[in-house]
Amino acid sequence: AQKVTQAQTEISVVEKEDVTLDCVYETRDTTYYLFWYKQPPSGELVFLIRRNSFDEQNEISGRYSWNFQKSTSSFNFTITASQVVDSAVYFCALTDTGRRALTFGSGTRLQVQP
Amino acid sequence: DAGITQSPRHKVTETGTPVTLRCHQTENHRYMYWYRQDPGHGLRLIHYSYGVKDTDKGEVSDGYSVSRSKTEDFLLTLESATSSQTSVYFCAISESGSGLNTEAFFGQGTRLTVV
Repeated sequence: AQKVTQAQTEISVVEKEDVTLDCVYETRDTTYYLFWYKQPPSGELVFLIRRNSFDEQNEISGRYSWNFQKSTSSFNFTITASQVVDSAVYFCALTDTGRRALTFGSGTRLQVQP
Repeated sequence: DAGITQSPRHKVTETGTPVTLRCHQTENHRYMYWYRQDPGHGLRLIHYSYGVKDTDKGEVSDGYSVSRSKTEDFLLTLESATSSQTSVYFCAISESGSGLNTEAFFGQGTRLTVV
């Protein structure tokens, strides 16, 4: 069975601080995809990024960056110079080869204080 | 934005009554999913569909059934609602293509309260 663990339940930072959200996963599949989704206070789920199991190149997109390390089964997400609008619940998720369904972590609530 | 509509958006129902939630898509995507979101659990898969009349169970399928008679519609039925089914329900769609690299798009969610 697959599992995604987001050990940080809630993080509070002050605006302009950098913050890293941790994600650790377990899977027996050799091919899989990892995702990050954002759920702002309005409730919708917004796709942020996907990364496949064969591509460990880390990515930067504006203030967002992702660090995928297969050796430690981690897929961490960093927000640089956080802003109040980054306040949301962030979910890490993993696909499986059979159902193509997502297994989600329990989420990390990020609060950015002005 | 992906064309996914969930209805109703909010519902309050009594214990023991049947409830049906509808998910409608305009993207012609093959895969459709129902998840429930509860505090401390993230989103958990209830049922999914990989084509018309092709459905299967997820991790938390007890007390739920689904049907997909058309590509665009995926119905979730609570056969006899219980208070433990109070939750926010999300529908999602994805196009499998030739791999796993398609992200899922989510509906706006349905907040269901069973009293």
